[in-house]
Amino acid sequence: GENVEQHPSTLSVQEGDSAVIKCTYSDSASNYFPWYKQELGKRPQLIIDIRSNVGEKKDQRIAVTLNKTAKHFSLHITETQPEDSAVYFCAATLNRDDKIIFGKGTRLHILP
Amino acid sequence: SAVISQKPSRDICQRGTSLTIQCQVDSQVTMMFWYRQQPGQSLTLIATANQGSEATYESGFVIDKFPISRPNLTFSTLTVSNMSPEDSSIYLCSGGGKNYGYTFGSGTRLTVV
Repeated sequence: GENVEQHPSTLSVQEGDSAVIKCTYSDSASNYFPWYKQELGKRPQLIIDIRSNVGEKKDQRIAVTLNKTAKHFSLHITETQPEDSAVYFCAATLNRDDKIIFGKGTRLHILP
Repeated sequence: SAVISQKPSRDICQRGTSLTIQCQVDSQVTMMFWYRQQPGQSLTLIATANQGSEATYESGFVIDKFPISRPNLTFSTLTVSNMSPEDSSIYLCSGGGKNYGYTFGSGTRLTVV
């Protein structure tokens, strides 16, 4: 079945620096890759997504890249701010049933 | 993206009883899912709620324990049956589609005593 691996599990970066979170997926039929941000006690919030026909997508300080050949995708956050501190989840969906499988999450700490 | 209202937000239940969680979407969505999330952990997919037919369950989850309904494209329920303390968790519904993204309900924090 589909499997999504996410690294690192914890990441600390200085405010203003960049943060990168990486994910790999197992099923080459995966074609949609959303990223979610979850603050403590809150629901996961969709922050950006990318489809398999695109290699990169950017939204202000957030960007996602996709390498279909290597089956990995990454989240890049530039000019990090204190409010970026949260848990981030990558996910992947299969074309045949659209269900979303999540990575184990990365706890991002922005240091002052 | 769709907005999902989920209730109850939390409940404390006696073992052996059942709890039904409801999710209402503000627009018709292609897909609806139910997840479980233990504190500090990732989201585990329980099942896909299929409109007008039986839900599709993931390995380790069965219909007798987690019956799901989806009578239309905007509403779904999950029942946690014959509860034990091991069922204590956060349950979340999700809805949407790949063309417009998937959003989550606010979650139900269930404690079984």
